[in-house]
Amino acid sequence: AQSVAQPEDQVNVAEGNPLTVKCTYSVSGNPYLFWYVQYPNRGLQFLLKYITGDNLVKGSYGFEAEFNKSQTSFHLKKPSALVSDSALYFCAVRRRSNDYKLSFGAGTTVTVRA
Amino acid sequence: GAGVSQSPRYKVAKRGQDVALRCDPISGHVSLFWYQQALGQGPEFLTYFQNEAQLDKSGLPSDRFFAERPEGSVSTLKIQRTQQEDSAVYLCASSPIGGAEDTQYFGPGTRLTVL
Repeated sequence: AQSVAQPEDQVNVAEGNPLTVKCTYSVSGNPYLFWYVQYPNRGLQFLLKYITGDNLVKGSYGFEAEFNKSQTSFHLKKPSALVSDSALYFCAVRRRSNDYKLSFGAGTTVTVRA
Repeated sequence: GAGVSQSPRYKVAKRGQDVALRCDPISGHVSLFWYQQALGQGPEFLTYFQNEAQLDKSGLPSDRFFAERPEGSVSTLKIQRTQQEDSAVYLCASSPIGGAEDTQYFGPGTRLTVL
């Protein structure tokens, strides 16, 4: 079974509007959760992660994500999107154990129009 | 400091050729990972090293794939007798300590095209 689901292949928003990229996970226990962004012909860039503590995590470039254990979700948010935020976003999960590998979702393409 | 670097950035191989992909992790990082990213998909785990020890190779798709990190720094992913289905971007990542909470930092990837 897939560990991470990103239900939207594409998200389109206007510049200045709020941006939300959805992610749900299906692993047992309390996992570690990550968001990465990928620009064309470049590797993955780390945005933020949830390890423990406050459910609202703040990361790079004004992004934040909220961990919701009851809904097994970790949605990525940005209050005011920029055209430069247009990219491919990946949610990833890692079990709280000696399972070192990241399991990624299929990705969500974000397009921010001017 | 410098990030993770990979070479070559692009590789075209004829079916049946052997290829070697190199990864230079961030200096001092203990853990190193290889992932395979097929077109339009998220990265899939291939293998994991802690220093020079290969602790997990469960994601390697066949015995044609081989990875090494002999001195605990640079790593090489080798694919023998390449097939068209091997065409993908191969991503290398490193992390400082090796704990599950560690952030993995990715290189730019090597795009392999097998003709």
